[in-house]
Amino acid sequence: GAGVSQSPSNKVTEKGKDVELRCDPISGHTALYWYRQSLGQGLEFLIYFQGNSAPDKSGLPSDRFSAERTGGSVSTLTIQRTQQEDSAVYLCASSLSVGEQYFGPGTRLTVT
Amino acid sequence: SQQGEEDPQALSIQEGENATMNCSYKTSINNLQWYRQNSGRGLVHLILIRSNEREKHSGRLRVTLDTSKKSSSLLITASRAADTASYFCATDAGSSNTGKLIFGQGTTLQVKP
Repeated sequence: GAGVSQSPSNKVTEKGKDVELRCDPISGHTALYWYRQSLGQGLEFLIYFQGNSAPDKSGLPSDRFSAERTGGSVSTLTIQRTQQEDSAVYLCASSLSVGEQYFGPGTRLTVT
Repeated sequence: SQQGEEDPQALSIQEGENATMNCSYKTSINNLQWYRQNSGRGLVHLILIRSNEREKHSGRLRVTLDTSKKSSSLLITASRAADTASYFCATDAGSSNTGKLIFGQGTTLQVKP
């Protein structure tokens, strides 16, 4: 079956613009995670959705970041008023339950 | 803050040799996982070891976990050029066992043919 997909694969935006990053998880996976990876660094947890429960937003770095998950499937990560320090690869993962996470290929965001 | 600290940061070996990477963490965990990343994009899950397990094998991979020392190691035996990648440990330390993972900084492995 299809894996986790993310779009766009690359995004270049001007400082101050808003961007939306999309994640399509594996069908049937109830958990969805967003991570951020800066150049040469490990992954930084951003937000976690599990079923219909309230999301765990504890990793969002500022109130410019928000995410939604509609219908328990597709998720959108929105960054408002982008800054240069937001440049990174944004990775989405999904899982059926606690345990192995399946990652998408990521969106490389460059803020100029 | 990062839960995992990985050692070494970079490792270069010849094909056929074994590669050992270590990971230390700070808090009690539900499980510890190892992932591989090629070319800075998506990660691939390699192996999961639960907090009550001490060793686990998968093909050429061997993972150990020492909860008293809060450390884990990943051993890749008989390495191949295709094993060249970055390797990350990740801990699931949530009190409600949510699956939320905290990743280490990673070890970059280069296997020379």
